[in-house]
Order: sequence, then C-alpha cells, then structure tokens
Amino acid sequence: AQSVAQPEDQVNVAEGNPLTVKCTYSVSGNPYLFWYVQYPNRGLQFLLKYITGDNLVKGSYGFEAEFNKSQTSFHLKKPSALVSDSALYFCAVRDDNAGNMLTFGGGTRLMVKP
Amino acid sequence: EADIYQTPRYLVIGTGKKITLECSQTMGHDKMYWYQQDPGMELHLIHYSYGVNSTEKGDLSSESTVSRIRTEHFPLTLESARPSHTSQYLCASSEWGGGPDEQYFGPGTRLTVT
Repeated sequence: AQSVAQPEDQVNVAEGNPLTVKCTYSVSGNPYLFWYVQYPNRGLQFLLKYITGDNLVKGSYGFEAEFNKSQTSFHLKKPSALVSDSALYFCAVRDDNAGNMLTFGGGTRLMVKP
Repeated sequence: EADIYQTPRYLVIGTGKKITLECSQTMGHDKMYWYQQDPGMELHLIHYSYGVNSTEKGDLSSESTVSRIRTEHFPLTLESARPSHTSQYLCASSEWGGGPDEQYFGPGTRLTVT
C-alpha cells in the first residue's frame, strides 16, 4: 500500500522569505513523487516530479523539491516566496508497482503575506 | 494550460435530480480519472479508466457511474443527486506509458445539491 502525509494544514510565510511545504511518503517499492498546486476555483497544476536520479528536482515557478530516501520525504521549497504563490499544495506518490494510481496527501494551504 | 475541460463549472441542483458531469480531453490520453475533493481539500479517487470501454472504481466508494465510449470523453453520472453529493469533482488524464506520467487536471465542477 502507498500513502503520503502532509503534516501541516497551513504554512504562513512572509514575502521574500524561503518557504518549505513538507511531505512524507510510504511505499513498498520505489516511489514516484509529485507536487501539484491548486489556485482558487481551478484544477490542480503539475509543478514537478521525482522519478530517479538527482535528489533535487527543479520545477515550475521557481519551486524545487528534495527527495530524501532515508527520511522518506519530498519537501517542496522555494528560496523567495511571492504573494502569488499563495495556494493549495498537494504532494502525491505512486509506487512503481501500483499502475498509474496516485495517492494524494491532504493538502497544505500556503499563505504568503506582503 | 492542459487541454482538459469540464462542464459545467458550477451546478446547483435539487435532490433527486439526475446529473451528468462532462469531462473531455484533447491530448489523446488513454487514462482518465475522476476525483472528489471535499471541503477539507483532500482528494479521493472515485473512478478511473485505462481506455475505451474500461472503467474501474477508485479508492472512495461513490454512487456515481462513469462511461468511456470515446477516448476523449469520460462523463460522470449521478442518477439521483443527494445533499451528500455536494462536493468539487475533478477530472484528470494521463498518458499510457511505462513511466510515471503526471496527471493533467481539468478546472473542476463544483456541485451543490439542495
């Protein structure tokens, strides 16, 4: 079975400061990991994914995520937050033995204040 | 922006009515999905399809049904809507491949059953 946890319902950060949105996962095989963002009244937009290789993955809008196998984590990061980054962020995992079914975390609301 | 469309975007309907939520994609993707997103933000997979004439139930039990007669079209039907069906419904699609292709999401349909 596969699962993913986002331990923070909400993250607050000031504009210009670095941000981190946390994600931990559990899979029986090798993980494929994804981050999605959801703006109000919109569907989810793909940000980045980790399949294999370099543990630091760069994605859209200046976001990056670091895969840490020993800690089973895939935290989303950005060096300098923008007010426009305020949105819902979802981490998702797929076990490489699980077809193409994604399991999503509960979501984290990011609030960036001016 | 992904080429996946959902209509209607918003729907308010009375109890007992039959409704169909439309989802279409122009990317030629074989795999399509329906998610239900509750007010607490969490996403639950309710239906998926690997291709024409293929439909499966997802992790969350749902009274809705789906059909896949054409590759690009994956409608979801509720025969008799109830207030408990009030939710956001998100459609997604992905390529059929051996790799972990990301899912592309439509903008969602917000359903309110009174």
